[in-house]
Amino acid sequence: DGGITQSPKYLFRKEGQNVTLSCEQNLNHDAMYWYRQDPGQGLRLIYYSQIVNDFQKGDIAEGYSVSREKKESFPLTVTSAQKNPTAFYLCASSTSGKATNEKLFFGSGTQLSVL
Amino acid sequence: DAKTTQPPSMDCAEGRAANLPCNHSTISGNEYVYWYRQIHSQGPQYIIHGLKNNETNEMASLIITEDRKSSTLILPHATLRDTAVYYCIVRSLTGTASKLTFGTGTRLQVTL
Repeated sequence: DGGITQSPKYLFRKEGQNVTLSCEQNLNHDAMYWYRQDPGQGLRLIYYSQIVNDFQKGDIAEGYSVSREKKESFPLTVTSAQKNPTAFYLCASSTSGKATNEKLFFGSGTQLSVL
Repeated sequence: DAKTTQPPSMDCAEGRAANLPCNHSTISGNEYVYWYRQIHSQGPQYIIHGLKNNETNEMASLIITEDRKSSTLILPHATLRDTAVYYCIVRSLTGTASKLTFGTGTRLQVTL
């Protein structure tokens, strides 16, 4: 099946620990995105990447880091600097990220909770 | 980024048409209107998008006003499985980056 795979589905973080959320796509898309969703809220953009080895901060990048070493993969690290990491994290991709008529395709999400 | 305004919640009887409104009064000429929906704890699902003409696909119809300041998503025959949060979004271009900015959406409850 073509699509976006996020893992794990559920993740628990201890205080002071960094955790990494995985996102892989086989859609041959250049652009990938990470969003955060809090209960009852809309999605907020954390980071996005339009090409390998390049990425830009979104609206709430503090406490997060990303890498884009391969076109298919865009992992998100939630660092210990992120004081309120408990949220639902969604990865998405689109063809180029440079046009306003591109659909965004989403993964099924990772629920991160703090122990 | 163009902002959108949606009612927080709506109800619809099963089998009836669900009409979900959205205001986007600051939309620019090249910005598309997108609709997504999200069922609890899942990723958002694409429904439809349009620029200025009305659009229809197998899921829904999108009616955009002539001045493009508002739109309506129509689910012609709502079923219980259409219960979800529906997001109206304007895809904006900042420099060379096109992004989707989500609001809080409309929670549609379809009832028997």
